[in-house]
Amino acid sequence: EDQVTQSPEALRLQEGESSSLNCSYTVSGLRGLFWYRQDPGKGPEFLFTLYSAGEEKEKERLKATLTKKESFLHITAPKPEDSATYLCAVRGNTGNQFYFGTGTSLTVIP
Amino acid sequence: DAGITQSPRHKVTETGTPVTLRCHQTENHRYMYWYRQDPGHGLRLIHYSYGVKDTDKGEVSDGYSVSRSKTEDFLLTLESATSSQTSVYFCAIRGAQTGDNSPLHFGNGTRLTVT
Repeated sequence: EDQVTQSPEALRLQEGESSSLNCSYTVSGLRGLFWYRQDPGKGPEFLFTLYSAGEEKEKERLKATLTKKESFLHITAPKPEDSATYLCAVRGNTGNQFYFGTGTSLTVIP
Repeated sequence: DAGITQSPRHKVTETGTPVTLRCHQTENHRYMYWYRQDPGHGLRLIHYSYGVKDTDKGEVSDGYSVSRSKTEDFLLTLESATSSQTSVYFCAIRGAQTGDNSPLHFGNGTRLTVT
């Protein structure tokens, strides 16, 4: 069965302190790995799609990378407005379902 | 926003009553999904639709039914609400694009409390 595990569950950073979030996955034929940001009381907001090992995507202070077993979301010089829960999801070859991890709650302290 | 409206945004209901949640999209997307989000479990798929009148079950479908009579509307019904169905419910949509690797786009959720 397709499965996603995210770590750490929670992360507190000082403003400007760079770090990475991890998403480990098992899937029968990866059709896409997806990163989302979720703010309290809101739905997840799409950030990136990665399709194949070695691929990288960037948006402002965020960079997502992909290997055959895991993905990293690197946050460079974070700001307080980057505080949110970051979710990872995968879609495999077996159908239209997306499988989500439980997320990493990021807090950036001024 | 991805043109998704969920209603109601909040609902409190009693155990044993039927409840219907509505998802409306203005994107004309083919695929629509219902997820529930609970602490420690993340987002779990309840049902999804791949076209009008075409639906399939997800991993937590027991106690739920869905209907899609128009492209723009996807209804989730709790036939007889139980306290274990207290949750935040999210609707998501996905367009069928070249390569069919398009992401999900989510509404802002319905917070349901069953007392």
